[in-house]
Amino acid sequence: DGGITQSPKYLFRKEGQNVTLSCEQNLNHDAMYWYRQDPGQGLRLIYYSQIVNDFQKGDIAEGYSVSREKKESFPLTVTSAQKNPTAFYLCASGPTGGTDEQYFGPGTRLTVT
Amino acid sequence: QQQVKQSPQSLIVQKGGISIINCAYENTAFDYFPWYQQFPGKGPALLIAIRPDVSEKKEGRFTISFNKSAKQFSLHIMDSQPGDSATYFCAASSKQAGTALIFGKGTTLSVSS
Repeated sequence: DGGITQSPKYLFRKEGQNVTLSCEQNLNHDAMYWYRQDPGQGLRLIYYSQIVNDFQKGDIAEGYSVSREKKESFPLTVTSAQKNPTAFYLCASGPTGGTDEQYFGPGTRLTVT
Repeated sequence: QQQVKQSPQSLIVQKGGISIINCAYENTAFDYFPWYQQFPGKGPALLIAIRPDVSEKKEGRFTISFNKSAKQFSLHIMDSQPGDSATYFCAASSKQAGTALIFGKGTTLSVSS
């Protein structure tokens, strides 16, 4: 069963804690992305990676970190430095190096209190 | 210059009617223009996409119209159905410039029966 998986679907954390969101794909895609979605804001790019062991900051990278040790995996860590971490987080992947088609996972809703 | 402006923010259409969502961009280097459909609590799904070498692309009830000189593109949903009720996002990217997808802020479509 091919696709992009994100886990967990819902995540609750206390303020001040770091939390890592999982994203795995078995589509053999080179590029992977993380977006944040807030009501009325559309999708805002956090980080993206075009190849293993390389990644670039997006528009709102502050307070987030990523790693890309394997082609299939692109975990996102929301650190305690992120001022407003409660949001819907979406992972995507694409077949080419950094542009064109992107396919999204089901998302993780993070709530920090 | 990196923005993609989408309108309207929300849209109510009668069943069987035509839904029209518009997007405008400034960056003439953009060369890929997809539309995504998102249902509540789910990740966006790629609906249809166009490149600047054609002025129109049709897939079933969904049509993208592209006006390169005006730097605008639009999504037309013919014979709109209640099942089309969702949020729609336009996006744009430039392979030449190596930009990831830049999204509009979304349009919430409600199709009344």
